Amino acid sequence: EAQVTQNPRYLITVTGKKLTVTCSQNMNHEYMSWYRQDPGLGLRQIYYSMNVEVTDKGDVPEGYKVSRKEKRNFPLILESPSPNQTSLYFCASRIGPGPYYGYTFGSGTRLTVV
Amino acid sequence: QQQVKQSPQSLIVQKGGISIINCAYENTAFDYFPWYQQFPGKGPALLIAIRPDVSEKKEGRFTISFNKSAKQFSLHIMDSQPGDSATYFCAAFNFGNEKLTFGTGTRLTIIP
Repeated sequence: EAQVTQNPRYLITVTGKKLTVTCSQNMNHEYMSWYRQDPGLGLRQIYYSMNVEVTDKGDVPEGYKVSRKEKRNFPLILESPSPNQTSLYFCASRIGPGPYYGYTFGSGTRLTVV
Repeated sequence: QQQVKQSPQSLIVQKGGISIINCAYENTAFDYFPWYQQFPGKGPALLIAIRPDVSEKKEGRFTISFNKSAKQFSLHIMDSQPGDSATYFCAAFNFGNEKLTFGTGTRLTIIP
């Protein structure tokens, strides 16, 4: 089944403890993105990648890192999580080239930082 | 900076009726306008999308109407069913930075 898989689905952690949210897609998609979803703010882009070793910042990149060493994986790293990073996170991927292909989203990771 | 405004926030429609959700955008550099459907505990799922050089697109019971001059687009759900109850997000896509700018969502409830 074609899908974007995120792990873990739920995570509670403490301030300052480094964590990684994994994202993997099995559709050979070039483009991948991370979004966070917050009540009243909708979904906002954190980082995106156009291919292996090509990443760039979105609207809210502060406090996050990403890497794209393989085409299928796009992990989101929080080096020192803070309570304001408590949110619902989504990884997404799409095929190219050109803009007329929609993103497929994962099921989300609900992160709580205490 | 909210570049895509969506209304209403919530909508209740009777089964068999027409559900209409509206969006307006500010940035003229957008390349593509998708609508996403989200059920509780799930990620957004692409429902239907339209290019800015097209005024209307229909897929089954779902239709997007697009007015480029007014910078507005809307989703119409015909013959609404209880299974359509979900949160709907309009979005505008910029190819240059791979960014989907989302509206704030509409919670749709279809009552029997």
